[in-house]
Amino acid sequence: ETGVTQTPRHLVMGMTNKKSLKCEQHLGHNAMYWYKQSAKKPLELMFVYNFKEQTENNSVPSRFSPECPNSSHLFLHLHTLQPEDSALYLCASSQKLAGGQIGETQYFGPGTRLLVL
Amino acid sequence: QKEVEQNSGPLSVPEGAIASLNCTYSDRGSQSFFWYRQYSGKSPELIMFIYSNGDKEDGRFTAQLNKASQYVSLLIRDSQPSDSATYLCAVHQTGANNLFFGTGTRLTVIP
Repeated sequence: ETGVTQTPRHLVMGMTNKKSLKCEQHLGHNAMYWYKQSAKKPLELMFVYNFKEQTENNSVPSRFSPECPNSSHLFLHLHTLQPEDSALYLCASSQKLAGGQIGETQYFGPGTRLLVL
Repeated sequence: QKEVEQNSGPLSVPEGAIASLNCTYSDRGSQSFFWYRQYSGKSPELIMFIYSNGDKEDGRFTAQLNKASQYVSLLIRDSQPSDSATYLCAVHQTGANNLFFGTGTRLTVIP
């Protein structure tokens, strides 16, 4: 399949739980992303990491906490989520060119389907 | 105003016909345009990207870009039932760190 893997593929958690989503890319890319996909809404960008540095945080609630220990791994730590956080969480990676401009093609992982009860 | 707009569909075409999917975008400085296909319950997979005005062909798929009118389209020739999916348009704006996605158009190819 793709060179981006995500675990777990499915997750059910209560509002008081703490869990983490993991993403790993095997493509040698230098940028990684977290997206949220809810029904009938566009993909919502959550976080962007370039060379392990967070460069984007799209007003995401603090109950979502990203971590990027190296350019191949990305985590999303979840804590005290709400039922409206139930969605498909997608990780993607890309190779930023010099200046980060044209040529950025993002490759997606299979996603984690999250249900918050 | 939405950054990227698509007709949500569903768009139904008979097998063998041409499916035409359209997308408009708001930022005139956008430079890179992508089409992703997403099957139900799966993640988006890249079909094509286009940077220059005009047509770009890849097998049964043709992407068309018109920067003056700020639209990009995807044509699927000889549509197959296996093409039934949601097609996402994505735009990379100059200086942006990410892609902006439309809501997607759901295509159904009827055997």
